[in-house]
Amino acid sequence: DAKTTQPPSMDCAEGRAANLPCNHSTISGNEYVYWYRQIHSQGPQYIIHGLKNNETNEMASLIITEDRKSSTLILPHATLRDTAVYYCIVCLGCDKIIFGKGTRLHILP
Amino acid sequence: GAGVSQSPRYKVAKRGQDVALRCDPISGHVSLFWYQQALGQGPEFLTYFQNEAQLDKSGLPSDRFFAERPEGSVSTLKIQRTQKEDSAVYLCASSHGTFEPYEQYFGPGTRLTVT
Repeated sequence: DAKTTQPPSMDCAEGRAANLPCNHSTISGNEYVYWYRQIHSQGPQYIIHGLKNNETNEMASLIITEDRKSSTLILPHATLRDTAVYYCIVCLGCDKIIFGKGTRLHILP
Repeated sequence: GAGVSQSPRYKVAKRGQDVALRCDPISGHVSLFWYQQALGQGPEFLTYFQNEAQLDKSGLPSDRFFAERPEGSVSTLKIQRTQKEDSAVYLCASSHGTFEPYEQYFGPGTRLTVT
């Protein structure tokens, strides 16, 4: 079973920031938080990962709470192309990603 | 640069036929993974290679499924005597290293339909 809990779906208006939450209350001290997304009919795409500190790259920002039991993926200016299923994954030595059900993000025009 | 490629993109097989699905990972990537994704579900792990060694095959659903990576680059997933329940998208991913953290890069998948 996935070690994370995500809402099944979310809506966000185009141009607004999309904030996708993830609970991982059983995370261990050396496990990383990864985010992937899967656009319809494509393979999953890596977005970002983090351990303790907040992280930002060209795609998104990752905010991890101090106790590491939850995190939020932020897409700063959502576009229609960001419509996808977003997966939050916790693992160490990720030779076996357990994807879970993810959050289906709908970007509304 | 070139990403992970998979062929064929679509495969229709009659029940009982054998199929072979190919994965070309990103050049130089040490690790290679296979996943199965049923319609409406998240991908599920099948097997994992580090170079030519198959380190984990715990996700293979039956002994009809066989994967190989003989020279540590291209990999083939073979399904013998296909059944209708094998219909799914088969995803291949590769990764540059074996130490945390590392991300997996996925190919577009092969959609297998067994009739």
